[in-house]
Amino acid sequence: AQTVTQSQPEMSVQEAETVTLSCTYDTSENNYYLFWYKQPPSRQMILVIRQEAYKQQNATENRFSVNFQKAAKSFSLKISDSQLGDTAMYFCAFMKFLGGAQKLVFGQGTRLTINP
Amino acid sequence: NAGVTQTPKFQVLKTGQSMTLQCAQDMNHEYMSWYRQDPGMGLRLIHYSVGAGITDQGEVPNGYNVSRSTTEDFPLRLLSAAPSQTSVYFCASSYSVRDGYTFGSGTRLTVV
Repeated sequence: AQTVTQSQPEMSVQEAETVTLSCTYDTSENNYYLFWYKQPPSRQMILVIRQEAYKQQNATENRFSVNFQKAAKSFSLKISDSQLGDTAMYFCAFMKFLGGAQKLVFGQGTRLTINP
Repeated sequence: NAGVTQTPKFQVLKTGQSMTLQCAQDMNHEYMSWYRQDPGMGLRLIHYSVGAGITDQGEVPNGYNVSRSTTEDFPLRLLSAAPSQTSVYFCASSYSVRDGYTFGSGTRLTVV
């Protein structure tokens, strides 16, 4: 079974600092996708960034970037120039195909607080 | 487009009561899923569907039923509510694997 592990339950940094959230996953699949979702206090799940496993180049979306290490099964999220609005729960997720279905498996989440 | 719409946003049930959580999407997505979110456990898959008329069980299906009579709607039924079903429930839909899932705003359910 696929599992996703986020080893940092909580993190806290000062505004404008850079922060890295860790994620490891376990799979025997070769083709899959990885995602980071953000959940602010509003409870809405927001897609932050995605990475296709067959692409070696790390994905980037403005201040958000990932460090994808396929052999190590690691998928960390880096937030540069952090802002107060980045305060949220962050979930790492793994998606694969299974019998025609798309299953998204989540880690336990990291609560990130950006302090002024 | 409204995206994924869940109703109600909040609900309190007594043990043993039944109810249906509604989920609708207007993006013509074939893939739809229901998740529950509990503290420290992330989101866990309850049931999913790959298209109208096709559903299957996820990781934690016990106590829940689903049906998918149309592409747009994917309701989740609690047959006999139990305190262990107190949680936040999310419905999500997807067009393709590379797009990930679009989530509704969630339903906070409390069973007393």
